[in-house]
Amino acid sequence: DQQVKQNSPSLSVQEGRISILNCDYTNSMFDYFLWYKKYPAEGPTFLISISSIKDKNEDGRFTVFLNKSAKHLSLHIVPSQPGDSAVYFCAATLSGSARQLTFGSGTQLTVLP
Amino acid sequence: SAVISQKPSRDICQRGTSLTIQCQVDSQVTMMFWYRQQPGQSLTLIATANQGSEATYESGFVIDKFPISRPNLTFSTLTVSNMSPEDSSIYLCSVVWNVRETQYFGPGTRLLVL
Repeated sequence: DQQVKQNSPSLSVQEGRISILNCDYTNSMFDYFLWYKKYPAEGPTFLISISSIKDKNEDGRFTVFLNKSAKHLSLHIVPSQPGDSAVYFCAATLSGSARQLTFGSGTQLTVLP
Repeated sequence: SAVISQKPSRDICQRGTSLTIQCQVDSQVTMMFWYRQQPGQSLTLIATANQGSEATYESGFVIDKFPISRPNLTFSTLTVSNMSPEDSSIYLCSVVWNVRETQYFGPGTRLLVL
């Protein structure tokens, strides 16, 4: 039973446009959500996070939106750049879980020049 | 920023052998974790490495197959025992520092079992 789902395995976007990556979760006990970016042959790199008490967090070109009622979060990248091409994982942690992460399956983002 | 390193970065091993992967951090951390990413799949938590005591394993992972040590606050090892081709994966350690809640990952160890 996948508790964190990324239903789009891939996404292609033109350079300069907005990239929107989506993530759904089923466990209402999750209280902290994160996005990681992963290049081939490297470990995941932390991008941005959001607590369940917020509905938006912004950091430069990256914004994460959280809709708790829909159990949905999204990552917006504006403007998209070719260097953003990577696999993006969303992850979630349970309240009181000492921060063990449950990952989604990832979305391969390709930004076309 | 702190550095997380893993050794080896990659290895090719024969079925039935064991491999020990090291994770070294250049500053003391509160928590260390070990993950596996099988080909084409997401990251799955294997266990939490506890300093000075036995690791806490997730469902589906056992100490006999994946013994873990954490002798201090900057170092941990994961051993993949009696390997089979199904163990071919990327193995990653991650850490949490005292004042931060975000997990940061090492570069990973690519393992291929023949």
